Amino acid sequence: KNQVEQSPQSLIILEGKNCTLQCNYTVSPFSNLRWYKQDTGRGPVSLTIMTFSENTKSNGRYTATLDADTKQSSLHITASQLSDSASYICVVSANTGGFKTIFGAGTRLFVKA
Amino acid sequence: GAGVSQSPSNKVTEKGKDVELRCDPISGHTALYWYRQRLGQGLEFLIYFQGNSAPDKSGLPSDRFSAERTGESVSTLTIQRTQQEDSAVYLCASSEGTGPYGYTFGSGTRLTVV
Repeated sequence: KNQVEQSPQSLIILEGKNCTLQCNYTVSPFSNLRWYKQDTGRGPVSLTIMTFSENTKSNGRYTATLDADTKQSSLHITASQLSDSASYICVVSANTGGFKTIFGAGTRLFVKA
Repeated sequence: GAGVSQSPSNKVTEKGKDVELRCDPISGHTALYWYRQRLGQGLEFLIYFQGNSAPDKSGLPSDRFSAERTGESVSTLTIQRTQQEDSAVYLCASSEGTGPYGYTFGSGTRLTVV
């Protein structure tokens, strides 16, 4: 069964600190993995997209890693800001002809001053 | 247009009524997706359109849900005989195709069934 599991479910950190969010998946055959940031009341915004051959990708203070062998991805946020408070969603797509996309339940990040 | 546009942004309807939600994708995007997000939960896939291919309807929760898309343009998601459990944010996203392209999401329609 194709699944995407994210951890932790929620996280509280102090402004300026770093944090790492995890995404484990069983989606196969793997096509690509995306991380999205979703602010409350708004649609998700793409942070990174990675294919099988990519191990790491950065977007400003966001760095995503991908280990296709262990089927794990992480999103590292450096020097967090209050505006980083949001849900972070891991999305994995399977190249199954019908092109199935599986969404994780997200990690809710709270950055406190 | 510049982004994915959804309308209405908010909809309150009485239980048992039908509702129609609209999504205007980015021009040229061949792929269009509908998702549902209940309060505090992750995104739930509903339906996927790719060009003129038959849509992937595997995520539709019941036969009360249907969606249409003409070519590569506007899509409508229809919910018949709404139930309270249909209350959620319905998100539409479009993409250039089936490769490693990013999705662009609309702001969603917040549906409340009372």
